[in-house]
Amino acid sequence: AQSVSQHNHHVILSEAASLELGCNYSYGGTVNLFWYVQYPGQHLQLLLKYFSGDPLVKGIKGFEAEFIKSKFSFNLRKPSVQWSDTAEYFCAVLSRGNYQLIWGAGTKLIIKP
Amino acid sequence: DAGVIQSPRHEVTEMGQEVTLRCKPISGHNSLFWYRQTMMRGLELLIYFNNNVPIDDSGMPEDRFSAKMPNASFSTLKIQPSEPRDSAVYFCASSHPNSQIYEQYFGPGTRLTVT
Repeated sequence: AQSVSQHNHHVILSEAASLELGCNYSYGGTVNLFWYVQYPGQHLQLLLKYFSGDPLVKGIKGFEAEFIKSKFSFNLRKPSVQWSDTAEYFCAVLSRGNYQLIWGAGTKLIIKP
Repeated sequence: DAGVIQSPRHEVTEMGQEVTLRCKPISGHNSLFWYRQTMMRGLELLIYFNNNVPIDDSGMPEDRFSAKMPNASFSTLKIQPSEPRDSAVYFCASSHPNSQIYEQYFGPGTRLTVT
């Protein structure tokens, strides 16, 4: 069965620190990859997505993610985090031809001011 | 576009009562998803529809839960009878399957509290 692993459930960083959140998936075929963000008390919003082409994807608010097919990974990065980045981040994978997103368990990110 | 609309935003009810959550997907979107989010279990897919037809309801926890999509612009999730363990935030999301990206757009959620 397809699955998505986010290895870090909680991450605490200071402002201006660099961020990398891990995401690995188990599916050998062609995939679409997503990172969603959920700010406290709000709904999930799309941060960035990979469909095809350049494996380095730029998203909103300075986030980026790199698709490494050989590692089945789609890690999220930001060079310098801000207090407002405090949120929960979800990685999701969709296999082509399927309607369902397979979700990771989420990573709660807390940025200390 | 107004985005995915859910109502009510908050619902407090007593155990044993019937609860109906409503969702209006984005116009033109053919797929609709119901999710439940709790601290303990995280984000769970309950059911999804494609062209108003339920495709996979394996995530529906038990017979007390039912979902319908009578037309392309409206869906309901019903819990009868409700129990305290049903307390959660219920999200509705929609997507356009003709888009190869299948990006899902989420509604604001309904926070359900069953006492």
